Amino acid sequence: DSGVTQTPKHLITATGQRVTLRCSPRSGDLSVYWYQQSLDQGLQFLIQYYNGEERAKGNILERFSAQQFPDLHSELNLSSLELGDSALYFCASSGPKMGTGLPKLFFGSGTQLSVL
Amino acid sequence: DAKTTQPPSMDCAEGRAANLPCNHSTISGNEYVYWYRQIHSQGPQYIIHGLKNNETNEMASLIITEDRKSSTLILPHATLRDTAVYYCIVPSGGYQKVTFGTGTKLQVIP
Repeated sequence: DSGVTQTPKHLITATGQRVTLRCSPRSGDLSVYWYQQSLDQGLQFLIQYYNGEERAKGNILERFSAQQFPDLHSELNLSSLELGDSALYFCASSGPKMGTGLPKLFFGSGTQLSVL
Repeated sequence: DAKTTQPPSMDCAEGRAANLPCNHSTISGNEYVYWYRQIHSQGPQYIIHGLKNNETNEMASLIITEDRKSSTLILPHATLRDTAVYYCIVPSGGYQKVTFGTGTKLQVIP
């Protein structure tokens, strides 16, 4: 158990709809990252938040948005859904800096989104 | 970020050492090599990282060549539970610039 909680685990919806994915980071972790993993594709970075502020953006579509709340949980909002948005969406939080290098990433178990 | 190249798949007999290579020929002097793995469709899990010295922890060993252009992740005694996709990444300045790619799919065979 990584300590990162994602809900829901599975989501089935129709094209044109809007959904919200939720992530609770590990206790004490201030950074939250969102990734998208399509079938047989690698993990694509979407967006990062640090202590409520957007820190970095990847190739995130304009139809997608995210926020991090004062209690540090984060939500990823996907709107005007298309068939191609079907994917696994992962949230990760970063732990304490490892003496050298970047802090470890701890991933949640993901939300499987199916757009029909 | 330095681009990494990994073989798409490898097999390893259970109980034997699994050696997973990664090329990162454009790595800069201060960039670390990180390894994560993803079991089935679970979230990726950190394994190990290193700069230039060989590293070992309870999960694996990391051997980095002297010129730092390649590295090898070693699972000393592979078990069936080590069947996973292994990602080698070289982030620069943060994970936000990193795409994990498709990694190496390791199949441990009984």
